[in-house]
Amino acid sequence: SQTIHQWPATLVQPVGSPLSLECTVEGTSNPNLYWYRQAAGRGLQLLFYSVGIGQISSEVPQNLSASRPQDRQFILSSKKLLLSDSGFYLCAWSVGQGTNVLTFGAGSRLTVL
Amino acid sequence: DQQVKQNSPSLSVQEGRISILNCDYTNSMFDYFLWYKKYPAEGPTFLISISSIKDKNEDGRFTVFLNKSAKHLSLHIVPSQPGDSAVYFCAASSNDYKLSFGAGTTVTVRA
Repeated sequence: SQTIHQWPATLVQPVGSPLSLECTVEGTSNPNLYWYRQAAGRGLQLLFYSVGIGQISSEVPQNLSASRPQDRQFILSSKKLLLSDSGFYLCAWSVGQGTNVLTFGAGSRLTVL
Repeated sequence: DQQVKQNSPSLSVQEGRISILNCDYTNSMFDYFLWYKKYPAEGPTFLISISSIKDKNEDGRFTVFLNKSAKHLSLHIVPSQPGDSAVYFCAASSNDYKLSFGAGTTVTVRA
């Protein structure tokens, strides 16, 4: 069966510090991978998605970046965090195109102070 | 630009009664619609979906209705149970890799 792992679960970082959130998927090949963010009181905002190794599509301009160094690994990064980067970050995966049923990880709570 | 809208941020319903959650969309290219359920500090879990070729899909206590002409869908939960208390997200996609989500509706089921 497929599983998705996301870490760390909770992170408190000072403004200006770097960020690295990691996500891995097991039990499937060539998944579509996604990073979403849920800000306080808001819905799920798509940040990045990837349909293959090294292929990253950015949905929202910001100081975050994403990388996919391996087929089932997706990393969300920042060189310098802003206060507005605080939120709940969710990694997800799917297969195919069109009828997207995304499976989400447990999420990472980021607080920038 | 919010293409999927859930205009009711919260809903309170008595246990055993029906919960009705509403969702509107603006993009006429959307052809697949999903509902997700989310508990605090957890990732959303898939609940039910519907293709644009249908107007109703039922799975146990959950039924989704789609009105394409009105660009509106709704989720009915009957009967509502305490474990249904969660945030419900409506989502939509066209023939691509992305899901657009609404802002969510927090459902509270009262005993």
